[in-house]
Amino acid sequence: AQKITQTQPGMFVQEKEAVTLDCTYDTSDPSYGLFWYKQPSSGEMIFLIYQGSYDQQNATEGRYSLNFQKARKSANLVISASQLGDSAMYFCAMREGSSWGKLQFGAGTQVVVTP
Amino acid sequence: EAGVTQFPSHSVIEKGQTVTLRCDPISGHDNLYWYRRVMGKEIKFLLHFVKESKQDESGMPNNRFLAERTGGTYSTLKVQPAELEDSGVYFCASSQGSSYNSPLHFGNGTRLTVT
Repeated sequence: AQKITQTQPGMFVQEKEAVTLDCTYDTSDPSYGLFWYKQPSSGEMIFLIYQGSYDQQNATEGRYSLNFQKARKSANLVISASQLGDSAMYFCAMREGSSWGKLQFGAGTQVVVTP
Repeated sequence: EAGVTQFPSHSVIEKGQTVTLRCDPISGHDNLYWYRRVMGKEIKFLLHFVKESKQDESGMPNNRFLAERTGGTYSTLKVQPAELEDSGVYFCASSQGSSYNSPLHFGNGTRLTVT
C-alpha cells in the first residue's frame, strides 16, 4: 500500500509568490518522521525540513515551513517568496520508528517558478 | 565537511555486463543506504548498512545485486549481469542515527543506463 501520497505531479508558481505542496501519509506507527527533499535538475537530493510525529509545533526552516496536521495525516510544504532557484522536484518522505532506516518516498511534485 | 559522494555520476553499459557503483558516506556516519529511482517510478529503498553489517536488505530486487561495505566506510553496489530494467538513478545516502528523526543526506546519484 502507498504510504506517501503526493497528488500534484506539477505546479507553476510566479516568483515571489508562496506555494503549497501537498503530502499525505499512512502509518499506524505512533513514532515517525516526515521529511521534504528537493531535487533540482542537477540531480542531487537536498534535505529541506523535518517534522516529528511528537512535535507540537510546525517545523520551519527559512522560507520553508511544514503544515503538519496529524489528525488528517498531512504534511504539506509551504515555500514562501518563491525564487527561480526553487524550480525543482520536491519529494515528501517518511521514516517509521518500527522500520529502522527505511525512508519511503512519494512520487514527487515538479515545481516551476516563472518570472 | 564533505557530503555523500558517488562514483561514477553516469554509466552506460550493455545488457549482460557488470557495473560497480561506489558511495562514500559523510565521515562518521555509521548508517549507509542505497536507493534507486527507475524511470517514471518512485524512489525505492534497496538496503541499509549499519557500519559493515546489512541491517535491512529487503529492497534488493534480486540476486544480481550485491552490496558491500567492507570496513564500515565506503560501500559498493554491484550489478551482475545488468538487465535493461536496471536502468535508473541509484542514490546513496548516509545518516548519523537510524532513528525516525534522523535525516538522510543523499549523494548526487549515479545514472545507470543499460542498453
